[in-house]
Amino acid sequence: GQNIDQPTEMTATEGAIVQINCTYQTSGFNGLFWYQQHAGEAPTFLSYNVLDGLEEKGRFSSFLSRSKGYSYLLLKELQMKDSASYLCAVRDLGGDKLIFGTGTRLQVFP
Amino acid sequence: EPEVTQTPSHQVTQMGQEVILRCVPISNHLYFYWYRQILGQKVEFLVSFYNNEISEKSEIFDDQFSVERPDGSNFTLKIRSTKLEDSAMYFCASSEVTGGGDGSPLHFGNGTRLTVT
Repeated sequence: GQNIDQPTEMTATEGAIVQINCTYQTSGFNGLFWYQQHAGEAPTFLSYNVLDGLEEKGRFSSFLSRSKGYSYLLLKELQMKDSASYLCAVRDLGGDKLIFGTGTRLQVFP
Repeated sequence: EPEVTQTPSHQVTQMGQEVILRCVPISNHLYFYWYRQILGQKVEFLVSFYNNEISEKSEIFDDQFSVERPDGSNFTLKIRSTKLEDSAMYFCASSEVTGGGDGSPLHFGNGTRLTVT
């Protein structure tokens, strides 16, 4: 089976740093993706990890530990426009689809 | 930047009616997908399509659902006889090849909001 867990909601202050965690249990693993989804809009791709370690992309970084089935998305210098849901998704072995977690709704306050 | 386009943006239909949701994937992409998201819930996989056939489908994708690529650009999802519980946002997505350097992420369209009354 496949299970992807994320906290439901988080809050943070403008300018701060926030870490959104994701744990997964899947029958196979071929990469982990983070997406951002504003309310009523499409998910947009943020980052990809397939090997252990940290991937940095501007204000956003993503970390993966395959042995622990764990990833996090780190958002620095938070801006009001970062208020959105952040979706963790895993690609299984032998397939091309992504399986999504329930998403973490982040609210950034001034 | 190329994007996935979906039409219509909203569709209201009566229970038991057939609906067709349309998508134009990014032109050089080879894999096509339909996902749905019931309000307040997670994005759920329905079906993937490659080389003119279904490559994988979920339990949700029962006999009431079908997909088609009628020409070189469109990709459609048909729901034969809609039920109230089919009300959701339906997202089309496409990707290049899997295993690419950036992971070949899925690119999503803006979705069709389907309301079944």
